[in-house]
Amino acid sequence: EAGVTQSPTHLIKTRGQQATLRCSPISGHTSVYWYQQALGLGLQFLLWYDEGEERNRGNFPPRFSGRQFPNYSSELNVNALELEDSALYLCASRYRQGVAYEQYFGPGTRLTVT
Amino acid sequence: AQSVTQLDSQVPVFEEAPVELRCNYSSSVSVYLFWYVQYPNQGLQLLLKYLSGSTLVKGINGFEAEFNKSQTSFHLRKPSVHISDTAEYFCVGKDSWGKLQFGAGTQVVVTP
Repeated sequence: EAGVTQSPTHLIKTRGQQATLRCSPISGHTSVYWYQQALGLGLQFLLWYDEGEERNRGNFPPRFSGRQFPNYSSELNVNALELEDSALYLCASRYRQGVAYEQYFGPGTRLTVT
Repeated sequence: AQSVTQLDSQVPVFEEAPVELRCNYSSSVSVYLFWYVQYPNQGLQLLLKYLSGSTLVKGINGFEAEFNKSQTSFHLRKPSVHISDTAEYFCVGKDSWGKLQFGAGTQVVVTP
């Protein structure tokens, strides 16, 4: 069974640009979660999509947005990039009937903003 | 306020020695608790989880954790570590919204 995949692996942008990160969940999983792992800040919950809808978001500004497609893959968009957006962005998926919210994580996209 | 607290940011340990990673949770998270491991340059992998029932939970790679309600703790242990256990370990709770709340992580460095 293929795991959660994310693309690109690395992304380098300059301040003010927009970044788009992609995530493909495990087949059969309908929920997708996005997390930011910034140096010194640990893992922070960003967004949660389920069945194509945004279910919840963490304490991030509106320039962090995303969507979930009918095939349950997801995009995370970060507009007006700032230097502190440099981080590892992790995507996780969960089976619809998953017990206790067990999430499976992808390898991450490392975003560097210069 | 931090709802899951990992008490050690880094734990150095010699190979074949035991290790314990400490985690305390607050009432803002439910008693669904997890430990995840992140190997260098990889994503997160579930080590074990506590949902209910027996307070001693066994996970992969020889790890186990004990849920202690009175002490609001969920410490992770391994009796004998290997070099390959070098990684960052995250204690995780689930809040009332169903979101995972991560601790700050504990870096385990295993040396020969």
